[in-house]
Amino acid sequence: DIVMTQSPLSLPVTPGEPASISCSSSQSLLHNNGYNYLDWYLQKPGQSPHLLIYLASSRASGVPDRFSGSGSGSDFTLKISRVEAEDVGVYYCMQTLQTPITFGPGTRLEIK
Amino acid sequence: QVQLVQSGAEVKEPGASVKVSCRASGYTFASSGISWVRQAPGQGLEWMGWISIYNGDTKYAQKLQGRVTMTADTSTTTAYMELRSLRSDDTAVYYCARRATAFYYMDVWGKGTTVTVSS
Repeated sequence: DIVMTQSPLSLPVTPGEPASISCSSSQSLLHNNGYNYLDWYLQKPGQSPHLLIYLASSRASGVPDRFSGSGSGSDFTLKISRVEAEDVGVYYCMQTLQTPITFGPGTRLEIK
Repeated sequence: QVQLVQSGAEVKEPGASVKVSCRASGYTFASSGISWVRQAPGQGLEWMGWISIYNGDTKYAQKLQGRVTMTADTSTTTAYMELRSLRSDDTAVYYCARRATAFYYMDVWGKGTTVTVSS
């Protein structure tokens, strides 16, 4: 199974400041079609997860442009250019290159 | 709009079975798959498996093989997940999510169904 790790696991951020979350995989997520099979989800308190970024860098419909994803192979980053209060929650990376689909442990973003 | 509506909370005794439904609307049901993900209390997300609606093909997590069955009824645009021989560690919120056809990301999620296993 592909093991996903994230850092940090807890991220206190001042509103208006940038934030960055790293995600690493135990093997490359780069498919031979050129896409990285890595997605990012946010689970706000008391809600279902929702898709932020797919294929490492494509923003999902309706996601503010302050969110961006980058990386390739085994190392990926989710960046929030200016954190807002509504961004609190747990951020998960997930790989879909092979089954079983696996998630990272999650990064809890909180507002300072 | 695209949405997935899940069935209500369940309380089951150990050894029993549970069947959770997920009714899809707002898109062509057979054009995508449905993934199932669960979340134990205070824990992270765990993929359980998926079903391709157009041909019924399924893929399950190894740890659930033999206890889980995922099905879909195209006439009612509803997907189902049945879990048998329930144990206390199956207590979780169970989510269905629309699986993108080509790249497998989950772009629409249901609100979740709480399943509690307790004697």
